[in-house]
Amino acid sequence: AQTVTQSQPEMSVQEAETVTLSCTYDTSENNYYLFWYKQPPSRQMILVIRQEAYKQQNATENRFSVNFQKAAKSFSLKISDSQLGDTAMYFCAFMKHEKAAGNKLTFGGGTRVLVKP
Amino acid sequence: DSGVTQTPKHLITATGQRVTLRCSPRSGDLSVYWYQQSLDQGLQFLIQYYNGEERAKGNILERFSAQQFPDLHSELNLSSLELGDSALYFCASSVHGDGRDGYTFGSGTRLTVV
Repeated sequence: AQTVTQSQPEMSVQEAETVTLSCTYDTSENNYYLFWYKQPPSRQMILVIRQEAYKQQNATENRFSVNFQKAAKSFSLKISDSQLGDTAMYFCAFMKHEKAAGNKLTFGGGTRVLVKP
Repeated sequence: DSGVTQTPKHLITATGQRVTLRCSPRSGDLSVYWYQQSLDQGLQFLIQYYNGEERAKGNILERFSAQQFPDLHSELNLSSLELGDSALYFCASSVHGDGRDGYTFGSGTRLTVV
């Protein structure tokens, strides 16, 4: 079974600064997908960024980028130019790659990010 | 608005009761997933349906059941409710059956069992 670990329960960052969230995972699979989801106080789960394990290039979505280290099974999220609206709980998630339907997301415990003005 | 609609948003009920949570997936999405979010268990996968058929089962209790109807909306039925069933229940949908593009989540149903 896959496990996802987020070792930082809470982080704070000043507005306009950069913060990096850690995520490690354990799997014996070679092909899989990794995701970061954001859950603001509204509790909506919002997909932030997605990475395919067979792609070496790190994914980037505007101010959000990842550092994917497959050998180390590490998938960190960097938020640049932090904005007040980035205040949220961030979840790292793993999904193994299978052509057949039936793939679940396995989530980490989350990291609470507080952006301070 | 994510396009995934969950009703009701809040539900308060007594122990031993039965409730039904409803989810309408985003237009065009064939897969529906149910997740439970609680403080002690985090986000737990319950069950997935794809085009009306059950495709995967997670940590779903026998007291819980779900189905997906021909119009693709899904319902999660929770019966013989216990205090520990209090949680946020999310529905999510995806275009592909394998969810490889990520899920789109609804805003959740907050269930409180008293």
